[in-house]
Amino acid sequence: KAGVTQTPRYLIKTRGQQVTLSCSPISGHRSVSWYQQTPGQGLQFLFEYFSETQRNKGNFPGRFSGRQFSNSRSEMNVSTLELGDSALYLCASSLQPQSTDTQYFGPGTRLTVL
Amino acid sequence: DAKTTQPPSMDCAEGRAANLPCNHSTISGNEYVYWYRQIHSQGPQYIIHGLKNNETNEMASLIITEDRKSSTLILPHATLRDTAVYYCIVRAGGGSYIPTFGRGTSLIVHP
Repeated sequence: KAGVTQTPRYLIKTRGQQVTLSCSPISGHRSVSWYQQTPGQGLQFLFEYFSETQRNKGNFPGRFSGRQFSNSRSEMNVSTLELGDSALYLCASSLQPQSTDTQYFGPGTRLTVL
Repeated sequence: DAKTTQPPSMDCAEGRAANLPCNHSTISGNEYVYWYRQIHSQGPQYIIHGLKNNETNEMASLIITEDRKSSTLILPHATLRDTAVYYCIVRAGGGSYIPTFGRGTSLIVHP
């Protein structure tokens, strides 16, 4: 069974631009969670989607948003990019909500904001 | 949700057992202990999890103390490819839950 896939793997943007990242979960998984990882803050939870509904949200500004489609694929969007948004963005999927089930992570998207 | 405490770094000789400790003294009765590892710049990899019994799979063993306030991840025969950051997290048994990964333990396996 294929693992979690994320596209693109690498992205370079400039301040003020917006970006959309994509995540395809493991087949059959209905929960998708997003994380931001930086050297300074470590791995931080952004939000979780389950059956197209946002279940939980971490402590991030409204510039960070996401959605989930009926096929469980998910996208996250960051608007008005700032230098501090440079990070590895990770997606994880699970069969059930991540509060009750094991998550499996994708390889991540490395975003660089110049 | 319970927080975890792990040593920032450890090292281990190749072929020997690596024992990585984790303290989760405020764990609740329905919270699971999960272990992930992350090799540089890759996504975290699930290793093992448990509630109160010891668990073993093809990758590792998980020993949870009887009071559940701490646990140890054991890699029985560490290889150079086990060099990674290991995260111990406590996950709720349901409901609203914000995962907290902490800084993990950087394990270096040397020849």
